[in-house]
Amino acid sequence: KAGVTQTPRYLIKTRGQQVTLSCSPISGHRSVSWYQQTPGQGLQFLFEYFSETQRNKGNFPGRFSGRQFSNSRSEMNVSTLELGDSALYLCASSSGTGRVRAGELFFGEGSRLTVL
Amino acid sequence: KNEVEQSPQNLTAQEGEFITINCSYSVGISALHWLQQHPGGGIVSLFMLSSGKKKHGRLIATINIQEKHSSLHITASHPRDSAVYICAVLSNFGNEKLTFGTGTRLTIIP
Repeated sequence: KAGVTQTPRYLIKTRGQQVTLSCSPISGHRSVSWYQQTPGQGLQFLFEYFSETQRNKGNFPGRFSGRQFSNSRSEMNVSTLELGDSALYLCASSSGTGRVRAGELFFGEGSRLTVL
Repeated sequence: KNEVEQSPQNLTAQEGEFITINCSYSVGISALHWLQQHPGGGIVSLFMLSSGKKKHGRLIATINIQEKHSSLHITASHPRDSAVYICAVLSNFGNEKLTFGTGTRLTIIP
């Protein structure tokens, strides 16, 4: 069974640009959540999707958005990039239903974004 | 005060030693996760707990809901156990979000 796949793995952008990151969950998993990891703030929850609906959102500005498609693949977008957006962006999928993140999490390898 | 506190922040031990990493939290939770992150970024879920104790190989995780505390133990530690161990809690009220501890960097010396 294939794991969680994130693309691209590495990318470099400049301030003001936008970026879209993709996450393909484990087959059969309908819950996808996104996280930002920086040396200063550690891991922080961005948002979670279940069956194409955003169920929860962390404390990030509106420049951070996401969506989930009918095949459970998810994308997150960051517009008007700032230097502080440089981070490792991780997604995780879960088979949990109902209280979706009450299920075990399976993480992708992450997308490492550098903003210059 | 952070909602999730881990201790110690860094731990260096000799191969074979018994390791304990602690996690304390201040909110009501529905579940607690222990995660392992190796250099390069990949995160592996080790345990998800809502009560009691779980064991997988040389790893044991316990949780005391009343005391809002969890521990991760590693028996017969090995250099391949060297990683960052992260505790994360899923709150059981309002916006059910996952909140992470700052991690414990474990180094096992051969």
